[in-house]
Amino acid sequence: AQTVTQSQPEMSVQEAETVTLSCTYDTSESNYYLFWYKQPPSRQMILVIRQEAYKQQNATENRFSVNFQKAAKSFSLKISDSQLGDTAMYFCAFTSIIQGAQKLVFGQGTRLTINP
Amino acid sequence: DAGVTQSPTHLIKTRGQQVTLRCSPKSGHDTVSWYQQALGQGPQFIFQYYEEEERQRGNFPDRFSGHQFPNYSSELNVNALLLGDSALYLCASSRTSLELFFGEGSRLTVL
Repeated sequence: AQTVTQSQPEMSVQEAETVTLSCTYDTSESNYYLFWYKQPPSRQMILVIRQEAYKQQNATENRFSVNFQKAAKSFSLKISDSQLGDTAMYFCAFTSIIQGAQKLVFGQGTRLTINP
Repeated sequence: DAGVTQSPTHLIKTRGQQVTLRCSPKSGHDTVSWYQQALGQGPQFIFQYYEEEERQRGNFPDRFSGHQFPNYSSELNVNALLLGDSALYLCASSRTSLELFFGEGSRLTVL
């Protein structure tokens, strides 16, 4: 069974700083996808970024980028120039190609607070 | 374009009761999944519906059941409620893509 571990329950940084959230996962699959989702107080999960395991290049979406280390089974999220609106719970998630996008396995989450 | 909508937003039940939660997928989406998110935890996959059939199921007892209607909307039913069923229930929809769109959830409290 796949597992996803986020070892940082909470993090706090000042506005405009850079912050990195950690995630490790365990799987015997070779083809899979990894995701970072953001859950603000409104409770709606929002996709931040996606990484396909077969791609060596790290995904980037504006201020958000990942450091994907397949051999180490590590998938960290870097947020540059952090903004107050980035305050939220962040979840790392995994799905295998076979299972498609529907059956996501989530980590426990990291509560990120951006301070003014 | 409305996103994923869920109802009710909050509800309170007592142990042993039954509950039905509803979800309307984003326009154009044909696949619906349900997740349970306990307080302070990440969501856990309950099941997925496509073409009105359950396609995948997570590690949840048979007390959890669902349905998908011809218009792709979906219901989650939980029978014989336990205190441990208290959680945020999230619905997500997609259409042959790798992006799930989530609703804001239904917060269930079991007393």
